[in-house]
Amino acid sequence: GAVVSQHPSWVICKSGTSVKIECRSLDFQATTMFWYRQFPKQSLMLMATSNEGSKATYEQGVEKDKFLINHASLTLSTLTVTSAHPEDSSFYICSARDSKVGSSTAPLHFGNGTRLTVT
Amino acid sequence: AQSVTQPDIHITVSEGASLELRCNYSYGATPYLFWYVQSPGQGLQLLLKYFSGDTLVQGIKGFEAEFKRSQSSFNLRKPSVHWSDAAEYFCAVGAPSGGYNKLIFGAGTRLAVHP
Repeated sequence: GAVVSQHPSWVICKSGTSVKIECRSLDFQATTMFWYRQFPKQSLMLMATSNEGSKATYEQGVEKDKFLINHASLTLSTLTVTSAHPEDSSFYICSARDSKVGSSTAPLHFGNGTRLTVT
Repeated sequence: AQSVTQPDIHITVSEGASLELRCNYSYGATPYLFWYVQSPGQGLQLLLKYFSGDTLVQGIKGFEAEFKRSQSSFNLRKPSVHWSDAAEYFCAVGAPSGGYNKLIFGAGTRLAVHP
C-alpha cells in the first residue's frame, strides 16, 4: 500500500534554532501534501497545504515565515520550523494523496509524525 | 463552518465488550466522513470512510460506522473489542468540494481496554 515517510520521527532542539522535517511519498507521486500539527491530548489542526512547484497555502493563524514549506519534487515536502521556541513543541504530521489517482475520493495517506521538543 | 464533535474524551471497556464511539458533525450538506485510529506516537490509520451510498460502512479491524443524516452523526462501532484496539480514535469531516483536501478532525476519543 501507499506509504508516507516522515523524518525524523523525533527531534530535540534548542530555542532559536531551526528544524527541518521531511515528508516523502515512497511509492507514489503527490502534487499536494498537507501538514498538520497536534498538541498533546488534542486533535490535528491543518497548518498548510504544500503544492509541488508553487507556494504553500497556509491556514488562518499559521505564520508562513515561521513554518517554511518547500515542495520541490513530486515525492518530497519539507517543513522548516524557523527560530523554534518551546511553544512550537508539538507533534507534526504530514499526509499526501496519490496524484495519479484522479478521483477526488482517493485516500489520504498519513506519515507517522515527528515529535518536536524545543528546549 | 464545518466542525466535528466527539463527546467522549475517554472511554474504557472490557476486552470482548462492544464499543460505540460517538461523532457528530456540522456541515451544510453531506460531507465526506472518516474514522482514523492513532497509536501512541504514531500517525493516523484510516479505519473507514463514507462518501455516499449505503449508510452502514464496513472498515478494517472489524469496525463499522453508520451515517445518520437526521442526527448528523457517524458513530463508530465494534461488536467485540480486543486489547490491541486501545488507541486514540479521530472522526473527521471533509468537504466534497475540492476533493476533501481539508479534513476537520474531532478532538479524539481515547480508548482504554481492560483485560
